[in-house]
Amino acid sequence: QVQLVESGGGVVQPGRSLRLSCVASGFSFSRYGVHWVRQAPGKGLEWVALLSYDGNNKYYADSVRGRFTVSRDTSKNTLYLQMNSLRAEDTAVYYCAKDNLYTSLGMYGFDIWGQGTMVTVSS
Amino acid sequence: EIVMTQSPATLSVSPGERATLSCRASQSVNSNLAWYQQKPGQAPRLLIYGASTRATGIPARFSGSGSGTEFTLTISSLQSEDFAIYYCQQYNNWPPWTFGQGTKVEIK
Repeated sequence: QVQLVESGGGVVQPGRSLRLSCVASGFSFSRYGVHWVRQAPGKGLEWVALLSYDGNNKYYADSVRGRFTVSRDTSKNTLYLQMNSLRAEDTAVYYCAKDNLYTSLGMYGFDIWGQGTMVTVSS
Repeated sequence: EIVMTQSPATLSVSPGERATLSCRASQSVNSNLAWYQQKPGQAPRLLIYGASTRATGIPARFSGSGSGTEFTLTISSLQSEDFAIYYCQQYNNWPPWTFGQGTKVEIK
């Protein structure tokens, strides 16, 4: 069964750091890119970052570039989102989501999503 | 950045009726458009990609059309489980991959 499970969310003070994890099962990281998408409370979806299937390309939204870093450990089938210098506006549910098409870069939508992990940035 | 605009913000429909949702792109995205459904407390679910191709397991009552800048998601006969928020997303010009603000389909 193809599945993504996020963890690592919590309450953090502004300016601090947090690392989210996304464990994949049922598919190979080396064939599919995985994105991070967030959703602020009561708001819509905002794409955050992509780590390409080959691990060589990383893309970020302007709102997080320079503060967030995406990486992976293929031996653990785990994707990470390192979030530094957190701001109140980073408060959201963070989802990881898999590319629909293998060896693509975000083409044809995101077909598998995790259940999300909540990040609250507050003093 | 391509801006996606959905209309209406809320659509009130009776069960069994047809629902038509619109999505407009600020510039052409060709047919590189997806639709998602999201229910409260759940992750989004991919419904349509390539503007008109149903994703795996999606019922035939969901259909997508359009190309360029104008797109439509049609639900031919609304079932109780279809009341949700629907988002369009473009993947033609990236990054970023951009979503519309959503259309809420509610029970009339």
